[in-house]
Amino acid sequence: DAKTTQPPSMDCAEGRAANLPCNHSTISGNEYVYWYRQIHSQGPQYIIHGLKNNETNEMASLIITEDRKSSTLILPHATLRDTAVYYCIVRVTDSWGKFQFGAGTQVVVTP
Amino acid sequence: DAEITQSPRHKITETGRQVTLACHQTWNHNNMFWYRQDLGHGLRLIHYSYGVHDTNKGEVSDGYSVSRSNTEDLPLTLESAASSQTSVYFCASSVGQKAFFGQGTRLTVV
Repeated sequence: DAKTTQPPSMDCAEGRAANLPCNHSTISGNEYVYWYRQIHSQGPQYIIHGLKNNETNEMASLIITEDRKSSTLILPHATLRDTAVYYCIVRVTDSWGKFQFGAGTQVVVTP
Repeated sequence: DAEITQSPRHKITETGRQVTLACHQTWNHNNMFWYRQDLGHGLRLIHYSYGVHDTNKGEVSDGYSVSRSNTEDLPLTLESAASSQTSVYFCASSVGQKAFFGQGTRLTVV
């Protein structure tokens, strides 16, 4: 599975959009981009995933560049409860659920 | 609601003892996984299973074993606990593109 690069930390003001970047320059054509987050002391939580089209759900939006070498997770209106470590993961669809977690981005939402 | 539960949530054990951590899911997912999480290492895969009687080693499997006798459960056994196995352990199950994680078990080996 391709490796990802994320900034180690970022701050965001409550109520503002949080834009989390992820580089995955070695991504293959059959690899999806996934985002998970881990709130302190809890298990990771699925947020969103996509292949090449932009995706949106009730939690976030995922923007994938046309060359698929990078993506951005957007939390449209950050709340204090969005403070967490966010993981960007790329994996092939036939990996049967094996996820390789990197260090992620520590996001702190401030009042 | 369907869920994945781990027990116990916290455990302290002595070096050399056998320890079993339980993981139970009610989604009827075929795929189940055990990860450990340590500062500086993130989440690392220990063992995984794609179905009943199927088990596979992950990247940090030494000193651990699993068995899958039914769809719902994947217990993780530490054969002889070592201080290096002090960690937070997460169980997960998956279907399709999504994995769902338990709340974790904090294990301390003294």
